[in-house]
Amino acid sequence: DAGVTQSPTHLIKTRGQHVTLRCSPISGHKSVSWYQQVLGQGPQFIFQYYEKEERGRGNFPDRFSARQFPNYSSELNVNALLLGDSALYLCASSFLQTNTEAFFGQGTRLTVV
Amino acid sequence: QQQVKQSPQSLIVQKGGISIINCAYENTAFDYFPWYQQFPGKGPALLIAIRPDVSEKKEGRFTISFNKSAKQFSLHIMDSQPGDSATYFCAASGKGGSARQLTFGSGTQLTVLP
Repeated sequence: DAGVTQSPTHLIKTRGQHVTLRCSPISGHKSVSWYQQVLGQGPQFIFQYYEKEERGRGNFPDRFSARQFPNYSSELNVNALLLGDSALYLCASSFLQTNTEAFFGQGTRLTVV
Repeated sequence: QQQVKQSPQSLIVQKGGISIINCAYENTAFDYFPWYQQFPGKGPALLIAIRPDVSEKKEGRFTISFNKSAKQFSLHIMDSQPGDSATYFCAASGKGGSARQLTFGSGTQLTVLP
């Protein structure tokens, strides 16, 4: 079985642009969560979607948005990019809403210049 | 109250030695405590996890010890190998509300010398 897949793997954007990151969960997993990992720190929770509904939102500005599609894949959108948005964006999928046994993708490395 | 505090920040161990990483939490709603291993340029990989109804869980060379009263848990890596060199994150989550999300510690960079 394929694990969690994210695309693209690397991305360079200019300040003020917007970006869309994509995630395909493990087959059968209905929960997708997004995390931001700044270099040298632990992942920080951004959003959780379960059964296509938002079930949690971390302490991130409204420039960040996400959605989950009927096939449980997900997109993370970030508008008006800032230099501080440069980070590794991680997607995690789990079968349950409680995020036990959450499996992460390889991440998307976003660099804002 | 959502914080998970992890120590040490970095750890250097000789091959064959025991690596010990500690974490402490405050939110009593947490009831699931996983450890993740992350190599450079990769996403975190689930290593081992424990629930508070047991005090210890062992999988191969990896053991989690859990102290519910002290709200602390630790990862022990026995017979540490150079291939174990990575960053390790503890995390915690609970059943409801904001506790449902995984809250991560700040990470421990482990180096195992050959």
